[in-house]
Amino acid sequence: SAVISQKPSRDICQRGTSLTIQCQVDSQVTMMFWYRQQPGQSLTLIATANQGSEATYESGFVIDKFPISRPNLTFSTLTVSNMSPEDSSIYLCSVAGLLAEAFFGQGTRLTVV
Amino acid sequence: GQQVMQIPQYQHVQEGEDFTTYCNSSTTLSNIQWYKQRPGGHPVFLIQLVKSGEVKKQKRLTFQFGEAKKNSSLHITATQTTDVGTYFCAGLDNFNKFYFGSGTKLNVKP
Repeated sequence: SAVISQKPSRDICQRGTSLTIQCQVDSQVTMMFWYRQQPGQSLTLIATANQGSEATYESGFVIDKFPISRPNLTFSTLTVSNMSPEDSSIYLCSVAGLLAEAFFGQGTRLTVV
Repeated sequence: GQQVMQIPQYQHVQEGEDFTTYCNSSTTLSNIQWYKQRPGGHPVFLIQLVKSGEVKKQKRLTFQFGEAKKNSSLHITATQTTDVGTYFCAGLDNFNKFYFGSGTKLNVKP
């Protein structure tokens, strides 16, 4: 299993500002995934972060709002840009295991005020 | 597009009672996975089912994959307070993309 360190664990941010979330994995992985989980809801895939190429975004998510970096095979960042209260959510990074199962970081609980 | 629905949305049971959550996909899945998310925690992988009609057990938990590979269920026998959390199914399509179900939140009263 993969060990994933995600930070910050939580933050309260002013609207209009940006927050960058970091995700560090203890082993090299080809793809890393970023999810959003709104309170009491399921997980929605934001994008897949590929090393050496641009991230692949899901419908409803755009690079200008959620820029992603993937500088190497163990690290990725997700930035939530120009935040509004609607961006208040839990953001989770994830990697796939040998069975294609998902391992998640602890999550970043974001509150935008 | 792909949709994975789960019912019920919430379930409140008395400790010792059984619990079942059902997962239905709009399309055939290559496999299905189940996750548990404790309150305030992140989802944790429980099990994967691959074969049509497959049944797997983990102690008090029984997982089933439908014959058509479009539905699945998780049954917990004699619930305990440690079973509290939200249970998600996740279907994997042929492109290795996950589609998480809507989740069933289980509350167990002692």
